[in-house]
Amino acid sequence: KNQVEQSPQSLIILEGKNCTLQCNYTVSPFSNLRWYKQDTGRGPVSLTIMTFSENTKSNGRYTATLDADTKQSSLHITASQLSDSASYICVVRNTGNQFYFGTGTSLTVIP
Amino acid sequence: DVKVTQSSRYLVKRTGEKVFLECVQDMDHENMFWYRQDPGLGLRLIYFSYDVKMKEKGDIPEGYSVSREKKERFSLILESASTNQTSMYLCASGTGDLRTDTQYFGPGTRLTVL
Repeated sequence: KNQVEQSPQSLIILEGKNCTLQCNYTVSPFSNLRWYKQDTGRGPVSLTIMTFSENTKSNGRYTATLDADTKQSSLHITASQLSDSASYICVVRNTGNQFYFGTGTSLTVIP
Repeated sequence: DVKVTQSSRYLVKRTGEKVFLECVQDMDHENMFWYRQDPGLGLRLIYFSYDVKMKEKGDIPEGYSVSREKKERFSLILESASTNQTSMYLCASGTGDLRTDTQYFGPGTRLTVL
């Protein structure tokens, strides 16, 4: 069964600290994996997208990694800011043009 | 910038009413999608379209229909709204390129069915 599981479900960190969010998937055949950021009351916005051959990609303070062998991805946020408070969603696409969504990690950054 | 707009941010309807949610994108994208998002369940795909007048069922199409008469517009229709359709509805569009495709989401419509 094609699934995407994210952990932790929620996370609270102090401003300025780093954190890492996890995404494990069983989707096959794999096409790409993307991370979205969703602010409260808004639609998701793409942060990174990685294909099979890519194992790391950065977007400012956000760095995503992908291990296609173990079917795991992580999103690392460096020097967190209050504006990083949001839900982070991992989405895996198969070659059949189907998207599989994780339920997201809710991140709260406190001063 | 890509812009995906949805006709309403908040909507309140009564059980049994017919509800139209409209989505418009300005980037000439071939692909458009309708999702609903519920706490603890994440985004679930209702319908999608890869071309004008073309539609495909997603994971949870029951109780919904769609219309795509023009490339830029994708409408979601609740034929007879029910309370279990209270949810956040998100529209998205994308190019369909497998390597680089990113879905661009609208701001969402929070629908409450009483």
